[in-house]
Amino acid sequence: AQKVTQAQTEISVVEKEDVTLDCVYETRDTTYYLFWYKQPPSGELVFLIRRNSFDEQNEISGRYSWNFQKSTSSFNFTITASQVVDSAVYFCALSQTGANNLFFGTGTRLTVIP
Amino acid sequence: DAGVIQSPRHEVTEMGQEVTLRCKPISGHNSLFWYRQTMMRGLELLIYFNNNVPIDDSGMPEDRFSAKMPNASFSTLKIQPSEPRDSAVYFCASIPRGGTGFYEQFFGPGTRLTVL
Repeated sequence: AQKVTQAQTEISVVEKEDVTLDCVYETRDTTYYLFWYKQPPSGELVFLIRRNSFDEQNEISGRYSWNFQKSTSSFNFTITASQVVDSAVYFCALSQTGANNLFFGTGTRLTVIP
Repeated sequence: DAGVIQSPRHEVTEMGQEVTLRCKPISGHNSLFWYRQTMMRGLELLIYFNNNVPIDDSGMPEDRFSAKMPNASFSTLKIQPSEPRDSAVYFCASIPRGGTGFYEQFFGPGTRLTVL
């Protein structure tokens, strides 16, 4: 069975602080894909990153970075020097190779306080 | 290029009425997904299509819900009769090619449905 757990329901940080959003997944597949999406207050779902199960290299994109560790089945997301515009709900998701649907976590609501 | 288009963006209706939500996927995408988002249940996959054919409708809550994809550029989600517990945001998403797990889903802006 596929499952994605985002244990942090809500996080509040003060602007310029770093924040890490946790994502733990379960799957029996050896090949799979992990995703992060952002849902700002306007409501749309915005794709941030995809990582396949064979690539454990960490990725950095500006203030965003992702840490993928198969040993702990985690795919954590760090925002450095947070900004008010980072306030949103962030979803982690998992898909299996050969499949179509995404298994979403319950999301983490991040509030960045000015 | 235009993204996934959904209409209407907001719908307010009364219990018992029929509601039809519409989606136009990104041109060239061959898989389409319908999701429902509520505070209580989060994001739920309702149904998805590959090449206009429904593949998995196990997420459709009950017979009051139905979805069609008559062609590659149009899909509808119908609720008949609607009930207050159907109030939610309904998202449509598409991907370039189904059956791989690789592609990120491109989401539409959603339809906020309120059933009074």
